[in-house]
Amino acid sequence: SQQGEEDPQALSIQEGENATMNCSYKTSINNLQWYRQNSGRGLVHLILIRSNEREKHSGRLRVTLDTSKKSSSLLITASRAADTASYFCATDAVGSNYKLTFGKGTLLTVNP
Amino acid sequence: NAGVMQNPRHLVRRRGQEARLRCSPMKGHSHVYWYRQLPEEGLKFMVYLQKENIIDESGMPKERFSAEFPKEGPSILRIQQVVRGDSAAYFCASSPQPGSAEELFFGEGSRLTVL
Repeated sequence: SQQGEEDPQALSIQEGENATMNCSYKTSINNLQWYRQNSGRGLVHLILIRSNEREKHSGRLRVTLDTSKKSSSLLITASRAADTASYFCATDAVGSNYKLTFGKGTLLTVNP
Repeated sequence: NAGVMQNPRHLVRRRGQEARLRCSPMKGHSHVYWYRQLPEEGLKFMVYLQKENIIDESGMPKERFSAEFPKEGPSILRIQQVVRGDSAAYFCASSPQPGSAEELFFGEGSRLTVL
């Protein structure tokens, strides 16, 4: 497996439901970030959580980080059709803090 | 304040031709990073440049790929003698701080198709 792997690979839910995506990584990190990518577009930064933080909120987003398990989760509450996109976690490893390692992403489809 | 500007957004080349992708960082940013995204994959780091310097090119293929960030003008990612496997989206990011991934701003990408 590779650094920054998300699961599930694809997730389909109804509007109003919550969506949870998970990410696992291998090395010690400084930070973990989540990005969103709409089809054919660039990346939009969603949230950053530092290695000494356990949970962070931003609007409808909630991110957790468990450094002992080297894993993170992204929860999107009360999903909307506009949340349909691919979601990637990205880590920057200790000693290489300018280089992001991305997973393959979770494709989220929110059905109206 | 314009974001990171990449052009062209779409580029089609035949095998053996050259591809040049340009990236203008955000105003005030002097650190540029190039990433490649193969179909159905996440982004992979290619190179980190500052003005007139290549800081880390550990993710660049050894042959045919080169990058520069001159004193004046945009950063250029150049791919010589393209092959079908070079078909991908190439993203540029910039940051105001040296050597930090905390404040990366990504462009919309340049999508290269090699026929």
